[in-house]
Formats: sequence, structure tokens, C-alpha cells
Amino acid sequence: EDQVTQSPEALRLQEGESSSLNCSYTVSGLRGLFWYRQDPGKGPEFLFTLYSAGEEKEKERLKATLTKKESFLHITAPKPEDSATYLCAVRRYDYKLSFGAGTTVTVRA
Amino acid sequence: DSGVTQTPKHLITATGQRVTLRCSPRSGDLSVYWYQQSLDQGLQFLIQYYNGEERAKGNILERFSAQQFPDLHSELNLSSLELGDSALYFCASSVRDRELGGYTFGSGTRLTVV
Repeated sequence: EDQVTQSPEALRLQEGESSSLNCSYTVSGLRGLFWYRQDPGKGPEFLFTLYSAGEEKEKERLKATLTKKESFLHITAPKPEDSATYLCAVRRYDYKLSFGAGTTVTVRA
Repeated sequence: DSGVTQTPKHLITATGQRVTLRCSPRSGDLSVYWYQQSLDQGLQFLIQYYNGEERAKGNILERFSAQQFPDLHSELNLSSLELGDSALYFCASSVRDRELGGYTFGSGTRLTVV
């Protein structure tokens, strides 16, 4: 059965303190790994799609990487506005999208 | 504003009742997806429609049903509501049926069953 596991569940950072979030997955026929950002009471906002091992994508202070078993979301020199829950999702061979439980990041000024 | 519109934003109802949640997809998108997000379950896929036809089903209860209309808006009907149905319900949309890119999510409907 497909599994998407995110760690840690919560991360508290000081402004400027870089860190990484992990998403490990087992899926039948990966057709893409996705990162979303979700603010409290809002819908998930699409950040990145990664399709193959070795691929990397960057957006401002965020960088996503992908291996055959996991993906990392690196946050470099975070600011308080980076505080959110970051969700990882995998799309399998039949195009179904499954989400992990998320990592809640809090960045203190 | 993502372009995906969900109404109402909040809904409070009693156990045993029936409610309808509405979603208008982003302009040009033909696929609509419904997700349920509760504190202990995370985002769970319920059902997908593409251009009016059901395309995929996830963990949707028999008490729940959905449809997509000719103007592409979609409705999720929840009946015989139980306390455990309290959750955030999100609608997402995409251009294609077998979408390779990311979905665009609406802001959700928060359902509270009392």
C-alpha cells in the first residue's frame, strides 16, 4: 500500500536558522512528488513538482530535492512568513494523489 | 485568490442532517477533486470528476455523493451526518483528467456537526 511519511511533525526555528523537512514514500509507479504549503484555515498552495530522482527545484528560500525513496524540502535562512504546514504528496501510476500528514514549521523572529 | 471558489466557508449543522458543499473550479479547468481534511487523518481524497463524469473514487463514504454539472461546478452532498464528519472539505481543480502538474485548491468549507 502507498505510504507517505513526513518528519518531523513540527519544527520550531529561529529566523535565519536553516533546516530540512523530510518526506519518505513508497508508491506504485511514481508519477510525481509534490510539495504544498498550507496556512491555517486555508487551502494547500502548490509549491513544486519533482518527477525523477536527482531533480531539484527552487523558489525563494525553499529548495526541494528527490531521491528514489524520499524528498527533502530545505528552508534556507527562514523568515517568520515561512511559518506554515508543508505537505508532501505523491502521484502514482493511476494518477491518484496521496498526501502526507505534513510538517508544521514555526519561525520565530 | 486561487480561482477555485468554495461555498459556504463555514457550516454548522446537527447530526443526522444533510448538507451540500459547492465548488466552482478555476476558469478553464475541467477536473474537480474533493478532499476531506481532519485533524487525525490529514488530507484524504474523496472523489474526482472530469467534464461531468466520475473519474476516480477514494475513501468516500456511501453517505456522501457528488456530481459535476454542465457548467463544471461541483457539489458534494453529505447526508446522515455524524460527529466524525466534522472536518475541512477542500475542492481542487486541474485542466486535465490525468493531470501531471499540481492541483489548485480552494479555501475550503469548514463543517462542524454538533
